[in-house]
Amino acid sequence: DSGVTQTPKHLITATGQRVTLRCSPRSGDLSVYWYQQSLDQGLQFLIQYYNGEERAKGNILERFSAQQFPDLHSELNLSSLELGDSALYFCASSATDRDEETQYFGPGTRLLVL
Amino acid sequence: SQQGEEDPQALSIQEGENATMNCSYKTSINNLQWYRQNSGRGLVHLILIRSNEREKHSGRLRVTLDTSKKSSSLLITASRAADTASYFCATDGKSNNDMRFGAGTRLTVKP
Repeated sequence: DSGVTQTPKHLITATGQRVTLRCSPRSGDLSVYWYQQSLDQGLQFLIQYYNGEERAKGNILERFSAQQFPDLHSELNLSSLELGDSALYFCASSATDRDEETQYFGPGTRLLVL
Repeated sequence: SQQGEEDPQALSIQEGENATMNCSYKTSINNLQWYRQNSGRGLVHLILIRSNEREKHSGRLRVTLDTSKKSSSLLITASRAADTASYFCATDGKSNNDMRFGAGTRLTVKP
């Protein structure tokens, strides 16, 4: 158990819909990262937040957005969903935003768009 | 886009044998990390090697890093069936803030 929790574990929805994935980092960790893992793209970095502020952006679509709240939990919002958005979405946390910090991953949310 | 590329894509060995997985990357890095993922589950951090280190050990794991060749290897000695998983290398680049993962090596250890 990494100490990172993600809800829900599974999500099935239809194209065009909007969903929100939630992540609670390890106690004391200030950085939260979101990743998408799909069969054809592998593990892709989406976005990083540090202490409530966006720190780095990766391959995140404009239809996707995220935020980190004062209690440090984070939400990833996916809108206008497409079939290709079906994937495993991981959240990870680390203590700081230093490059050498180990990231601890949550169990993931499996999203299926029908 | 992915940074690291692992090879082989899949590896099948007998319990007790050693497993070697390789990772190549494209740009200068601060560090390289290896992660393990059991099917459909979260990633577990195994080991981090800094760009100024050449070799690191952790239990049955041995990681090497050759920055001149932009490559790393993960050796698992005396493998066990429980080592069956996918193994990813992830690089923390000097010119970007994000950590990039390779496609992974799927290791199967047969009892």
